[in-house]
Parts: sequence; structure tokens; C-alpha cells
Amino acid sequence: KQEVTQIPAALSVPEGENLVLNCSFTDSAIYNLQWFRQDPGKGLTSLLLIQSSQREQTSGRLNASLDKSSGRSTLYIAASQPGDSATYLCAVGNTGNQFYFGTGTSLTVIP
Amino acid sequence: ETGVTQTPRHLVMGMTNKKSLKCEQHLGHNAMYWYKQSAKKPLELMFVYNFKEQTENNSVPSRFSPECPNSSHLFLHLHTLQPEDSALYLCASSHRDSHNSPLHFGNGTRLTVT
Repeated sequence: KQEVTQIPAALSVPEGENLVLNCSFTDSAIYNLQWFRQDPGKGLTSLLLIQSSQREQTSGRLNASLDKSSGRSTLYIAASQPGDSATYLCAVGNTGNQFYFGTGTSLTVIP
Repeated sequence: ETGVTQTPRHLVMGMTNKKSLKCEQHLGHNAMYWYKQSAKKPLELMFVYNFKEQTENNSVPSRFSPECPNSSHLFLHLHTLQPEDSALYLCASSHRDSHNSPLHFGNGTRLTVT
């Protein structure tokens, strides 16, 4: 069974700093990998999706990379803002519409 | 209305009650999911429906009963729940078997079992 780990569990940075969130997975036979954002009491919002054949995806200040062979993905956030404060989750997509989630990294950006 | 809509947002029920959670998607997707989110745990997949057919049931207790009348609507019927079933229940949708189809989530139903 696929296991997904996110480190660190919590991160606090001053505004304007660039930061990297990490996601690792045990089974490299994946369809895709997604990064989500979750605000308190809300559902998950999809940020980026990387297909298994891709190495990275970019959206605005966000850049996600995928290294299937090593079982790792990173989410890079440039010039962080207080509005970026949220929990960030990664999910690995396997066959049969199975998605395996990490426990998330809680990010606080201090003004 | 667009996206994935879940009702109710909050639900408090006793262990002997029967209630239902509702999910509706307006994205033209053909796969719908129920997830359970408990504190400090990864999201747990409960059920998957593809084209209204249930394809996954991850050993969920029978006190949770899903229903998918069409590809836009999904229900989760609840009866004789336990306090440990208290959690955030999230509905999601996507295109089936697409490498490039992200999951779209609703805002969830916060369930408290007393």
C-alpha cells in the first residue's frame, strides 16, 4: 500500500521568504501527484497536478517538482504572503482512482 | 452554481439517529468520492463511484451506506454511528482514469456524534 509522508508537520516563516514543502511516497508506480491547500474548516483546493511523465508544474508563485525514482515531490512557494497560511497536502494518484494523502504541512506566514 | 457542494455544513447526531449527507457536483465529472478526515490522520478514502457504479469500498463499516443515483449526486447515509465517527466528511469528484484530472473537493460536512 502506498504511504505518503510530509515533512515538516508545521512551518512558520516571516513574510517574503521563499520556502519548500516536502512530500515522499513509497511506491513509484503512480499516475500523478497533486498538491492541495486546505484552510481551516474548509475543503481542499487543488493547487497543482503533476502527471507521472512530467517533472514539474508551475502556477504563479508556486512550483511543484516530481522525482518518481526517488519517491519525492517538493512544493516551492516564492515570496510568501500571510494569505499563504494554510495546511498543504500532497496526494499520490495510483490506478483505480485511488489517491493516497499525506497528513499535511501547516504553514504560518508571519507579517 | 459551480464546483462541488456539500450539505449540511455541520451535523450533530445521536448514536441512534439516521441522517444523510449530500454532495452535488456541477463539473461534468464521472467519478465521485467520499473521504473521511480526522485530526492528525491522512484523508481516508471511503467510497468511489465511477459512472454511478461503486468501484471501491475501503472496508468501511456498514453503518455508512453510500448512494449514487446519477453522476452528479452522491449521498452518504448514516445510522447507529459511534463517537469515533466524528470527523470532517469530504466529497470529491474528478474525471475517471484521467492522468490530468485533479480532484475537486467540497467544503465538507463536520459531523459530531454524541
